[in-house]
Amino acid sequence: DGGITQSPKYLFRKEGQNVTLSCEQNLNHDAMYWYRQDPGQGLRLIYYSQIVNDFQKGDIAEGYSVSREKKESFPLTVTSAQKNPTAFYLCASSMIRTRGHGYTFGSGTRLTVV
Amino acid sequence: KQEVTQIPAALSVPEGENLVLNCSFTDSAIYNLQWFRQDPGKGLTSLLLIQSSQREQTSGRLNASLDKSSGRSTLYIAASQPGDSATYLCASNPILTGGGNKLTFGTGTQLKVEL
Repeated sequence: DGGITQSPKYLFRKEGQNVTLSCEQNLNHDAMYWYRQDPGQGLRLIYYSQIVNDFQKGDIAEGYSVSREKKESFPLTVTSAQKNPTAFYLCASSMIRTRGHGYTFGSGTRLTVV
Repeated sequence: KQEVTQIPAALSVPEGENLVLNCSFTDSAIYNLQWFRQDPGKGLTSLLLIQSSQREQTSGRLNASLDKSSGRSTLYIAASQPGDSATYLCASNPILTGGGNKLTFGTGTQLKVEL
């Protein structure tokens, strides 16, 4: 079955450490996105990519980095520059050739600073 | 900048009741609007996608409507069941300059259906 796989489900980060969240999709979608979700707040866009080797900052990109070397993969690195990284991270994908397509989401990664 | 508001933030109803969740958005220039369901600690599951040219979409006991001119969408759930308990999120896909198929999310309505 086609879908989006996020791993790991839970991740713990020590102070000053970089961690990478994985996102893989087999839907042949062009675009991929990373969102952050905090309690009581809506989803906020971190980065998005519409094509391989190209990506754009979203609303809260500071302290994060991404790469898009393959169409299927869009890993997110949470760097030590992100001062408040504890949150639920969601990856999504969509087609963009026709903008009427909806999003498909992964099951999320919960990151906690210890 | 597009803003999406969902009212109420939380709702508790007895099993079997029909209910309506509301979503409003400030910019009516949208490609589509999508409703999602989120269970605690889980990702988002797409429920319904309404294109800008459509007025409503139906799936089983769910019916979503779209009124672009007033910037409103509603999600109607018929004969609610305890399994419907979840947070429901709406997201608009605004026609922004600069491209990008980017959604703007509301903060959600947390629904509890009681026995």
